[in-house]
Amino acid sequence: SQWGEENLQALSIQEGEDVTMNCSYKTYTTVVQWYRQKSGKGPAQLILIRSNEREKRSGRLRATLDTSSQSSSLSITGTLATDTAVYFCATDRGSALGRLHFGAGTQLIVIP
Amino acid sequence: AQTIHQWPVAEIKAVGSPLSLGCTIKGKSSPNLYWYWQATGGTLQQLFYSITVGQVESVVQLNLSASRPKDDQFILSTEKLLLSHSGFYLCAWSLNNNQAPLFGEGTRLSVL
Repeated sequence: SQWGEENLQALSIQEGEDVTMNCSYKTYTTVVQWYRQKSGKGPAQLILIRSNEREKRSGRLRATLDTSSQSSSLSITGTLATDTAVYFCATDRGSALGRLHFGAGTQLIVIP
Repeated sequence: AQTIHQWPVAEIKAVGSPLSLGCTIKGKSSPNLYWYWQATGGTLQQLFYSITVGQVESVVQLNLSASRPKDDQFILSTEKLLLSHSGFYLCAWSLNNNQAPLFGEGTRLSVL
């Protein structure tokens, strides 16, 4: 998982499999924003989940948030090779949402 | 639709030389603007943010400076580059403090 870990984590799976990436944070936050960054590109927003939400879905993506354990997860069902990217979680640490603090990231490689 | 444009796409510079990176937002007035830095294989770290023309707040001191000379323009600069300045520089914007930032495509900087 990110943040609890300092280094970039890596996952390699076969296309079609489901995957869950975890993120644990140490400081209070009002939201967790998940981003996906493809090689050489800027990060793209995926899902934003607020502290009063436990789960949020968008297409094949599902994010969860457990404020008691200060952890969030991002699941992708039926992965595609195009899902290959680095996935980051980011928190606001109770500050302005624009001022995000990013975790170390999870490198996901989906093998076609 | 709002668009964000960063320039240049990539730079190779010598240690000790000056640097200026630019970012322009079109289609939205008075956005919040942000500069993030990402070491190769690393996570994103916020450097500066600006909520209005002429006002810039520094988040991390990396011997860099930022300015917002126009409502739609954000400039990152330094008079003397260090090797440690190498990396990926990302400009981002948001409507307000309650929206997660949207990122540009970044500028890859190599300092030799």
